[in-house]
This record gives sequence, C-alpha cells and structure tokens, in this order.
Amino acid sequence: SQQGEEDPQALSIQEGENATMNCSYKTSINNLQWYRQNSGRGLVHLILIRSNEREKHSGRLRVTLDTSKKSSSLLITASRAADTASYFCATDKGGGNKLTFGTGTQLKVEL
Amino acid sequence: DAMVIQNPRYQVTQFGKPVTLSCSQTLNHNVMYWYQQKSSQAPKLLFHYYDKDFNNEADTPDNFQSRRPNTSFCFLDIRSPGLGDAAMYLCAITTGGANYGYTFGSGTRLTVV
Repeated sequence: SQQGEEDPQALSIQEGENATMNCSYKTSINNLQWYRQNSGRGLVHLILIRSNEREKHSGRLRVTLDTSKKSSSLLITASRAADTASYFCATDKGGGNKLTFGTGTQLKVEL
Repeated sequence: DAMVIQNPRYQVTQFGKPVTLSCSQTLNHNVMYWYQQKSSQAPKLLFHYYDKDFNNEADTPDNFQSRRPNTSFCFLDIRSPGLGDAAMYLCAITTGGANYGYTFGSGTRLTVV
C-alpha cells in the first residue's frame, strides 16, 4: 500500500484564504517532501523537512512534521489562483533516495 | 532552462507495439528515476539508476525495461504496451545525496489504442 495518504482529497477555497493539506504515513522516514503538480505536467519540488525538524517555512509555505503521529501538514497562506494544482507529499525512508508518494490533494483557488 | 527533458510530451502507440520514452538531464546527477502516474493517482516508482546500477521495483512488470547509456540519458522501453499501461510517465533526477529533492521532467503522456 502507499506510504502516504493525504486529506482532504479535494479542497476549494477563495483567493486570499489559507489552504491546509495533511499527510499521514506508515513507517519511519528520513525526510518528507511536498510537491506541486499542475494539470498534465511534471511535479515541482516545494519543500523538504528532515525527520529531526518540526517546522519549516518557505515563502508562503509552512510545513510541519510530527514523527510521533507520522503526519505532516502543508499550509499555503494568502492563496492565489495560480496555486491551483495537485499537492503530493512524499516520504524518503533513506537508504536509496527512493520517494513514495501520497495520494495527493487537489486544490482549487477561486477568484 | 529545462534541466530534465522528456520526449515526446505525448505518445500514442498501438496495443502490443513496442514504444520507447526518453529522458535527458543537463545536471550530471547520479540518480535517475522513472515513475508511472495513472489518472488521479500517486506517482509509482518503476525503477531507478544509481550511476549505471539498475534497481527494479519488485512489482514492476517485466514488460517495462530501461536503459541508461550514459549519465545524461535514460530510456523507458515498454515491450508490449497494454491498455492498462496508458499513463503519464515521469522522469526525475537527484544528486544521490541524502535530503535532496527530486527534479522532474514534464512527463510523457502515453495513450495506447
């Protein structure tokens, strides 16, 4: 089964609002990463958080990691229509840099 | 400038007719990956190369093969495509060091008719 499960599966918000997506995983990890995928395109790396980190920021993105609960969240603040995309979490268990992706959250930001 | 280039963007092939998808990179990264992504699903790792070392995932069908003739290029060969192989195929690279993200290409959308 997949390493990561995300919720919600789909999220629709108004421009300017914050969007929060959650990811849960099953085994211990080396790091957890978040990617964005625009429709019909490849994935774009957003942010990486190591297993010994609890929170990380990058621009309008804030990622948290709780290894005791095996969960992570991605917060996009002040969302824009251009943020409309699918967002995937991916876990690296170490020992080979192989990423296992979650099921993704489809975010729609409306004007 | 694109760092991971996949060709073609769209590929239509006939049922059972061999098809090759290509990926090239401009960064000389050690590790190259092929992922399969079916509609509305998570990308699934097929195999990866660490330099010339080929690593197949246990559940990757034998129908899928790969070649990496040099650091820059990697090919995905589907020997006898079935309707279930229709998907987006994504190539990615990383340096091989710990705690680095992947750089993906734009993908090749494969249609099997």
